[in-house]
Amino acid sequence: DVKVTQSSRYLVKRTGEKVFLECVQDMDHENMFWYRQDPGLGLRLIYFSYDVKMKEKGDIPEGYSVSREKKERFSLILESASTNQTSMYLCASSFEGAVGGYTFGSGTRLTVV
Amino acid sequence: DAKTTQPPSMDCAEGRAANLPCNHSTISGNEYVYWYRQIHSQGPQYIIHGLKNNETNEMASLIITEDRKSSTLILPHATLRDTAVYYCIVTQYAGNMLTFGGGTRLMVKP
Repeated sequence: DVKVTQSSRYLVKRTGEKVFLECVQDMDHENMFWYRQDPGLGLRLIYFSYDVKMKEKGDIPEGYSVSREKKERFSLILESASTNQTSMYLCASSFEGAVGGYTFGSGTRLTVV
Repeated sequence: DAKTTQPPSMDCAEGRAANLPCNHSTISGNEYVYWYRQIHSQGPQYIIHGLKNNETNEMASLIITEDRKSSTLILPHATLRDTAVYYCIVTQYAGNMLTFGGGTRLMVKP
């Protein structure tokens, strides 16, 4: 069964910490995406990547960075976590072109205290 | 990408067909209609997509009007496990970054 795996389901971090959220897909997808989801605001795109070492800003990139050193792995980095980054983070991947759709991971619920 | 409009919520009786509408009046000729759903506390799940013709798979059917300005997702025999938020998205291709709107919260009731 094809998968997008996020390293942690629940995470609690302190304000100011550097936080790494890892996402791995086993479908050889070219595209990978990071979203956050908050009540009343829906899913918002943070960053995406169309290829290894490539990254593009989404709608809300402030306070985040990303890394894609290998095709299967896309990491989201919170350089200095803040309480307003408490959220559900969702990783997704897809093929380039109109084939099927996104495959999402199960999400990481991050709490910054 | 064209914008979509969906009702915020709908109810459906278990075993009945659930028909979820979506308006996309500004859709352009090369844009697809995609449907996803999100069950509580899980990541969204791809359901189906289409361009012009009606589509059917093991999960659902997608009916697109001839002018392509609206579509309907049909769950033929809704079960309690189909309770979820359903998102209708218009985009040029699957790999494009998707913008998720508010979706329709479907409640399937016994």
